[in-house]
Amino acid sequence: DVKVTQSSRYLVKRTGEKVFLECVQDMDHENMFWYRQDPGLGLRLIYFSYDVKMKEKGDIPEGYSVSREKKERFSLILESASTNQTSMYLCASSLGPAPYEQYFGPGTRLTVT
Amino acid sequence: RKEVEQDPGPFNVPEGATVAFNCTYSNSASQSFFWYRQDCRKEPKLLMSVYSSGNEDGRFTAQLNRASQYISLLIRDSKLSDSATYLCVVARRYNNNDMRFGAGTRLTVKP
Repeated sequence: DVKVTQSSRYLVKRTGEKVFLECVQDMDHENMFWYRQDPGLGLRLIYFSYDVKMKEKGDIPEGYSVSREKKERFSLILESASTNQTSMYLCASSLGPAPYEQYFGPGTRLTVT
Repeated sequence: RKEVEQDPGPFNVPEGATVAFNCTYSNSASQSFFWYRQDCRKEPKLLMSVYSSGNEDGRFTAQLNRASQYISLLIRDSKLSDSATYLCVVARRYNNNDMRFGAGTRLTVKP
């Protein structure tokens, strides 16, 4: 069974703080993704990575950066958290691009106050 | 306009009912199509891929209409356990990581 884990289930941070969200997958998948999910908007892609140290911007990369130093780990960084980054953040991994299935982690509910 | 649009529902149906969801997509170059299921406060999971000829998996049938740019999901003989949000997902190109998710259609099956 593919397992994708995320470092925190719930996180509360203050405006201006630097925030790290960690994601680890155990299936040697090439591709990893970060999404945010907001009511009425669905999942929106922030960044994805198709190999170690490789990354590409998704739809909404502004205010975020990512790091992939090891194949199994993909980190999302909020350089200076803002209240409009309050959201559910979902990490996913897949063996390859579409039509390969994406496997999601349980999500991190981030609140920025 | 969103690239992938779904009726948000909620759809409230009795057990045993047949229910259908539609999803429209705006990018005519889209190549791969999926339905994911998301239970309350859980992560999305793949329900089924959608093939050009239509496909069936037990009580679930998915159809694709490229000319009209819509995808449908039919659930027959609804079970209480089918209660979830169903996400329509479109990959812009084959062999591509850029997947677009609809906001989801919520289904509640009642006894």
